[in-house]
Amino acid sequence: KAGVTQTPRYLIKTRGQQVTLSCSPISGHRSVSWYQQTPGQGLQFLFEYFSETQRNKGNFPGRFSGRQFSNSRSEMNVSTLELGDSALYLCASSQTGGPDIQYFGAGTRLSVL
Amino acid sequence: AQSVTQLDSQVPVFEEAPVELRCNYSSSVSVYLFWYVQYPNQGLQLLLKYLSGSTLVKGINGFEAEFNKSQTSFHLRKPSVHISDTAEYFCAVSEAGGTSYGKLTFGQGTILTVHP
Repeated sequence: KAGVTQTPRYLIKTRGQQVTLSCSPISGHRSVSWYQQTPGQGLQFLFEYFSETQRNKGNFPGRFSGRQFSNSRSEMNVSTLELGDSALYLCASSQTGGPDIQYFGAGTRLSVL
Repeated sequence: AQSVTQLDSQVPVFEEAPVELRCNYSSSVSVYLFWYVQYPNQGLQLLLKYLSGSTLVKGINGFEAEFNKSQTSFHLRKPSVHISDTAEYFCAVSEAGGTSYGKLTFGQGTILTVHP
């Protein structure tokens, strides 16, 4: 089985722009979670989607949004980028999003200049 | 809300020596516990998990961990480390219950450096 695939691997944007990151989960997994990883704040939960519905959300501003498609692929969008949004964004998939193993992709490294 | 504390930010150790990476958690409900490892420029790989049952869990690459409910700890151990174990290790908690869908709360990570 193919693992979790995130595209692109690297992105460079400037302040004020918006960006869309993509995540393809493991086949058969219906839950997709997103995390932001920074040296200062560590790994923080952004949100989780299951069957195209957002079921859980972390403590991030509304500039961070996401969606999930019928094939379970997910995208996250960050609008009006700030320098502090520079981070590694990780996507994880699991079968149910319950007490379940999450499998992580390699991440998208976003640099905001 | 749950929280996770990894007591050591860096652990240096010599090859073939034993190692323990410490993790404590705080939660008002039942939890599920995980250890992940991250190599440079990569995502997270699951080492082991505790969902229920035996409190001593064995994982990949010779790692094991023990869930201690009274001390709210989930320390990771390996009896003999290799150079290839050099990486960052994360302890994570998921709370039981419907409000925690898909959410892992992570500790700040412990960088394990194995010296020859």
